[in-house]
Amino acid sequence: GIQVEQSPPDLILQEGANSTLRCNFSDSVNNLQWFHQNPWGQLINLFYIPSGTKQNGRLSATTVATERYSLLYISSSQTTDSGVYFCAVEPRDTDKLIFGTGTRLQVFP
Amino acid sequence: GAGVSQTPSNKVTEKGKYVELRCDPISGHTALYWYRQSLGQGPEFLIYFQGTGAADDSGLPNDRFFAVRPEGSVSTLKIQRTERGDSAVYLCASSQNRAFGELFFGEGSRLTVL
Repeated sequence: GIQVEQSPPDLILQEGANSTLRCNFSDSVNNLQWFHQNPWGQLINLFYIPSGTKQNGRLSATTVATERYSLLYISSSQTTDSGVYFCAVEPRDTDKLIFGTGTRLQVFP
Repeated sequence: GAGVSQTPSNKVTEKGKYVELRCDPISGHTALYWYRQSLGQGPEFLIYFQGTGAADDSGLPNDRFFAVRPEGSVSTLKIQRTERGDSAVYLCASSQNRAFGELFFGEGSRLTVL
């Protein structure tokens, strides 16, 4: 089945820093989404981005479907950005949304 | 409702018991999903409903797990003869109309099997 790998696995930042999270996937996909899981376990949808670039405030995401990767950019990080960031893909030949391994982000004041 | 609602938020049970977990999706969302998340892992797909029917139940780990959505809204995940390995957070999500459109997750039901 499809492999979804995220890097880095862990990231520690000081408030105000910028960061880039990467998601690589091993096969073509219909759909890609980025989620943030806060320290209380709530999963929040950040972007629905099968291709192209989207921005929402301090966050932006780019998916290059032909090269099988997506990037999530966080600018001017805040302590509330802490948590785990997951990318999830829908492979072309299934109806499942497969989650990646996650990037655990800690932002310190 | 305003968001996806899951009950109970926490459930502790003994090995061998039967458990039901409930999910109330966002009003009007026709697609509903169940995922399971173990500590330190990403969510793992269990089953997907489109309306009342299970469109894909290939993620259910074995026949002890069953889910229903009789009226196309609320769904119940049922686990028979629970085992310690079933301990996890069970997450429900819904999306509007299409398969795996933008997903909205509930806060999850944490199941602990002693």
